[in-house]
Amino acid sequence: ELKVEQNPLFLSMQEGKNYTIYCNYSTTSDRLYWYRQDPGKSLESLFVLLSNGAVKQEGRLMASLDTKARLSTLHITAAVHDLSATYFCAVDITPSGNTPLVFGKGTRLSVIA
Amino acid sequence: DAGITQSPRYKITETGRQVTLMCHQTWSHSYMFWYRQDLGHGLRLIYYSAAADITDKGEVPDGYVVSRSKTENFPLTLESATRSQTSVYFCASSHYLQETQYFGPGTRLLVL
Repeated sequence: ELKVEQNPLFLSMQEGKNYTIYCNYSTTSDRLYWYRQDPGKSLESLFVLLSNGAVKQEGRLMASLDTKARLSTLHITAAVHDLSATYFCAVDITPSGNTPLVFGKGTRLSVIA
Repeated sequence: DAGITQSPRYKITETGRQVTLMCHQTWSHSYMFWYRQDLGHGLRLIYYSAAADITDKGEVPDGYVVSRSKTENFPLTLESATRSQTSVYFCASSHYLQETQYFGPGTRLLVL
């Protein structure tokens, strides 16, 4: 059974600080997705990581994928209040290719002044 | 407008009643999904569909029924609602099974 674990599940950080959210998964996969959910809103796609070593960046967020370690990280640089949201990772099981993405439980980020 | 929509956005019902949540997408995506979101559980897949008339169970299908007679619609029915089905329900769609999913705005359901 594929397990996707995110940590921390809750994160309160000060504006201007850096931090990393981790997404570990329990089986082979070379495709991983990050989503953002603002409070009371739906999920929006942030990043798609399609191979080992993939790195994507947008603004203060940078995501990377290490398929050998079965680990993806979402790094936050110089946090601002607007980044307060819940972040989900989702993993594609390969090589079967016939099962849906499995989502982590999400990391609820709160950026405070 | 193009995209994925859900209706109703909010629903209050009573235990034992039948409730149907609607999902409509205009992208002609093959795959559609239903999730429920509860505190402490993240997103859990209820059912998904690969095409019209093809559906499959997800992690938590008990108490739910789906159908997909047209590619663009994927209704979710709670045949006899229970309080444990109080949740936020999200519909999503994608071209392929292992691809970015696009989520609807969600339906907040309260079962009294």
